[in-house]
Amino acid sequence: DGGITQSPKYLFRKEGQNVTLSCEQNLNHDAMYWYRQDPGQGLRLIYYSQIVNDFQKGDIAEGYSVSREKKESFPLTVTSAQKNPTAFYLCASSIGGGSIYGYTFGSGTRLTVV
Amino acid sequence: GDSVTQMEGPVTLSEEAFLTINCTYTATGYPSLFWYVQYPGEGLQLLLKATKADDKGSNKGFEATYRKETTSFHLEKGSVQVSDSAVYFCALRLGAGANSKLTFGKGITLSVRP
Repeated sequence: DGGITQSPKYLFRKEGQNVTLSCEQNLNHDAMYWYRQDPGQGLRLIYYSQIVNDFQKGDIAEGYSVSREKKESFPLTVTSAQKNPTAFYLCASSIGGGSIYGYTFGSGTRLTVV
Repeated sequence: GDSVTQMEGPVTLSEEAFLTINCTYTATGYPSLFWYVQYPGEGLQLLLKATKADDKGSNKGFEATYRKETTSFHLEKGSVQVSDSAVYFCALRLGAGANSKLTFGKGITLSVRP
């Protein structure tokens, strides 16, 4: 079955370390997105990519970086510059920019700074 | 800019009660409208959608009608079950191309007690 796989499901990071969250999709979707979810704050867009080798900052990109070297993969790196990285991270993909299409989401990665 | 407003939560209902979750939107055009559901510890799943005025989306006993005159897309279910306990997000999407992204409401938590 097609879908989005996020790994790992739980991740622990020491302060000052960079960590990379994986997101892989086999839906042949062009667009991919990263969101951060904190309790009571809904979803906030970190980065998005409409095509390979191109990506744009979302609303809260500071302290994060991404790459899009393959259509299937959109990894997110949480750098040591991110002041409060403990959160639930969601990856999503979409067929393209057409408004009738929704997103398909992965099952998320919960990152905790220890 | 475009925005989605959901009613304040949380909402607690008894099993078999009628559910209404309000959603209104502001958009410079004619968006597609979506409801997503997030079960505890998981990613978001598309529940239903409507792509033009007067369309009704339905799935798993949930329904929502795209009301252009009131800019609303309220979610309803005639008889909720304990398994419907989750967070519900209303969203819109406009246009095409790189700037066409989903805009989410803040989400509302529904708890259904036996």
